[in-house]
Amino acid sequence: GENVEQHPSTLSVQEGDSAVIKCTYSDSASNYFPWYKQELGKGPQLIIDIRSNVGEKKDQRIAVTLNKTAKHFSLHITETQPEDSAVYFCAASKGYSTLTFGKGTMLLVSP
Amino acid sequence: GAGVSQSPRYKVAKRGQDVALRCDPISGHVSLFWYQQALGQGPEFLTYFQNEAQLDKSGLPSDRFFAERPEGSVSTLKIQRTQQEDSAVYLCASSLVAGSSTDTQYFGPGTRLTVL
Repeated sequence: GENVEQHPSTLSVQEGDSAVIKCTYSDSASNYFPWYKQELGKGPQLIIDIRSNVGEKKDQRIAVTLNKTAKHFSLHITETQPEDSAVYFCAASKGYSTLTFGKGTMLLVSP
Repeated sequence: GAGVSQSPRYKVAKRGQDVALRCDPISGHVSLFWYQQALGQGPEFLTYFQNEAQLDKSGLPSDRFFAERPEGSVSTLKIQRTQQEDSAVYLCASSLVAGSSTDTQYFGPGTRLTVL
């Protein structure tokens, strides 16, 4: 089955810095790659996603890049703010859309 | 509009007790998923419904776990004879269409189950 690896497990940045989280996947048939943000005590919330026919997607301060050849994708957050502090999960799916998640990255943004 | 809701939000059970966890998906959503999230880990797939049909239960860890969605809307995840290793957050997600790998899944807040 699909295996998703996510790095780093924790990331500390100063407010205003950029943050980058990287994921690799194993199944070349995967074609959908969402990123979720999970705050303490809440369910995962979709922040951005990318499909396999696109190499990059941007939404304000958040961007995702996808390299299908290398089977990796990355989340980029610019001008980080304290409210960006949370756990971020990458995921991959194919077929009828069961998601396989990475283990998560705890992002801490210090004021 | 209303999102996915789950109840109860917290459940404490003694080992050996049965528990039932409820999920109310977004109205009109065809697909419903259950995931298990252990502490410090990502969610792991348990089972998938398309309307009332359970099309994939490959992620259920044992025959003590049972899920149903009899009318194609509300779903219940039941765990019989709970064990300590069942302690986790159980997440429900729904998506609008059926059979699409690129359809957004919307998650509920989860039920935190603690088995003593």
